Amino acid sequence: ETGVTQTPRHLVMGMTNKKSLKCEQHLGHNAMYWYKQSAKKPLELMFVYSLEERVENNSVPSRFSPECPNSSHLFLHLHTLQPEDSALYLCASSQEADSLGSYEQYFGPGTRLTVT
Amino acid sequence: GENVEQHPSTLSVQEGDSAVIKCTYSDSASNYFPWYKQELGKGPQLIIDIRSNVGEKKDQRIAVTLNKTAKHFSLHITETQPEDSAVYFCAATGANYGGSQGNLIFGKGTKLSVKP
Repeated sequence: ETGVTQTPRHLVMGMTNKKSLKCEQHLGHNAMYWYKQSAKKPLELMFVYSLEERVENNSVPSRFSPECPNSSHLFLHLHTLQPEDSALYLCASSQEADSLGSYEQYFGPGTRLTVT
Repeated sequence: GENVEQHPSTLSVQEGDSAVIKCTYSDSASNYFPWYKQELGKGPQLIIDIRSNVGEKKDQRIAVTLNKTAKHFSLHITETQPEDSAVYFCAATGANYGGSQGNLIFGKGTKLSVKP
């Protein structure tokens, strides 16, 4: 176990549904991330939160809406998704970079999302 | 922006042999290079990392080398075992997007199969 948990592990939703993914980290980190992992593509960074403020929004469609209520919790709210949004959604956490630029990120197990 | 190329995409070795995975990066300012192992149904797990002020790092059967001049880094696994079978990802830090955080740009992954 990496200290990062994600729920649910599997989710099937229709294009008109609204659902939320949850991530929780127990490592005392102050930065959290959402990634999308699709088959045969590199991990794509979606959002970064540092000290509960969003510092990165990597041109993600507005049908994905993140929320970070505190440094231990991260949500990804989903609505009116498309079939091409089907993927594994991974959450990660880290400390902020130190003077040498360390970015050790620890990943959760992911949520396998299928949009029908 | 940063681009990370990873080769090979698949690698099959006999148990006990060595395995080498190579990555190249484009941003000369990149200063942190982690390697992740992802087993089926799990999130990526950090296995070793290296910073730009070090040329080589070893942890038991795993080693990573970095050539800053050529902008490439490699993962070496010696005495491979069937449990080493997984997908391995390299990553490099990209440009900072405010604050002290930098994001990670990932390679596409290498599927390693170790045959008994």
